[in-house]
Amino acid sequence: DIEMTQSPLSLPVTPGEPASISCSSSQSLLHSDGNNYLDWYLQKPGQSPQLLIRLGSNRAAGVPDRFTGSGSVTHFTLRISSVEAEDVGVYYCMQFKQIPFTFGPGTKVDIK
Amino acid sequence: QVQLQESGPRLVKPSWTLSLTCTVSGASIINNNDYWNWIRRPAGKGMEWIGRIYSSGTINYNPSLGSRVSMSLDTSNNQFSLHLTSVTAADTADYYCARGRDHVSGLNVWGQGTTVTVAS
Repeated sequence: DIEMTQSPLSLPVTPGEPASISCSSSQSLLHSDGNNYLDWYLQKPGQSPQLLIRLGSNRAAGVPDRFTGSGSVTHFTLRISSVEAEDVGVYYCMQFKQIPFTFGPGTKVDIK
Repeated sequence: QVQLQESGPRLVKPSWTLSLTCTVSGASIINNNDYWNWIRRPAGKGMEWIGRIYSSGTINYNPSLGSRVSMSLDTSNNQFSLHLTSVTAADTADYYCARGRDHVSGLNVWGQGTTVTVAS
């Protein structure tokens, strides 16, 4: 299985400040079609996860442009340019390059 | 707007079979590019992908669940199902269904989830 790691696992943030989460994979997520098969999800308190970023760097429909995904192959980053109170929750990266799909452990983001 | 909704027993006895159904609205499950997934999150643990099924009949399971897991489609009702046999307390979790799309995203629409407890 492809192992996914994230850092930090806990991230206290100040509204209006930027935030960044790193995700690494034990194998390359670069597909032969040129895309990285890595998604980012946010699970807000009491809700199911929602897709934020697909294929490493493409914002999902309706996702605010303060969220940016970057990286390639085995190292990826999710950046929030200016955190808002509604951004609290657990952020997961997930690879879907290889079966079984595997998730990172999650990064819990809360307000300082 | 695509919506997914899980349904099924919320309490299952040890050694019994856990069965859940996901009802899809706003999209057809026979779209060739889509696949239909089950994911779970045991309390206090991380997310675990259980498996996926295509309308073509292609199925992929997480090897960690061995032969206990099976999935099926009901195209007439636009539903897909999960069956997990010989459950133990370790199978207590929040269970989610989700849609994925080839070459686009892993899991682009999720159901709201349902909590299943394995206990006698």
